[in-house]
Amino acid sequence: RKEVEQDPGPFNVPEGATVAFNCTYSNSASQSFFWYRQDCRKEPKLLMSVYSSGNEDGRFTAQLNRASQYISLLIRDSKLSDSATYLCVVRREMDSNYQLIWGAGTKLIIKP
Amino acid sequence: DAGITQSPRHKVTETGTPVTLRCHQTENHRYMYWYRQDPGHGLRLIHYSYGVKDTDKGEVSDGYSVSRSKTEDFLLTLESATSSQTSVYFCAISESRERPDTQYFGPGTRLTVL
Repeated sequence: RKEVEQDPGPFNVPEGATVAFNCTYSNSASQSFFWYRQDCRKEPKLLMSVYSSGNEDGRFTAQLNRASQYISLLIRDSKLSDSATYLCVVRREMDSNYQLIWGAGTKLIIKP
Repeated sequence: DAGITQSPRHKVTETGTPVTLRCHQTENHRYMYWYRQDPGHGLRLIHYSYGVKDTDKGEVSDGYSVSRSKTEDFLLTLESATSSQTSVYFCAISESRERPDTQYFGPGTRLTVL
């Protein structure tokens, strides 16, 4: 089992709809959480950090559920430009060092 | 966008040949990283550097070596390329090792080993 798991999708969603997807992590020592966005054949770019109390950035809302060990990303009023792969990243400390564990990503396709 | 370039952007090579990928930054960041990205896998760290001549292994370092002789350049070498090293390679930079949200990626290099 992978330490960070995401549904690969694709999620096919009509423009204007709300879509949400989760990322589960297995190591309870995980400390910090992030969502990155990756456009087709491009590099990953930070979308947002995920804070314990949940946080919002415009149409995007990120939440953390430590008890169930998952983070979620919700996109409201989806735009065609939201089509991308969304990568979940978990940071944890190991042997006095930090390690980033990346999910394989969830592909989102917004249809007109 | 952060000033990170990678060269070459695409390369096709044959099994057994040496390959060097270059990452160049203009941000003067201390940390530089090499990742590979394969379908069905998250990004996996190959090696990273925390200063000139200071490097350390990541989770998938076998078959790869790195060098950093200048702050701005981080080289990844495949001494004898194998088909399993066919992948997309991303370089990244950051000011802080502890803050992944400060990490910026280069455009990537698509490597095919025949």
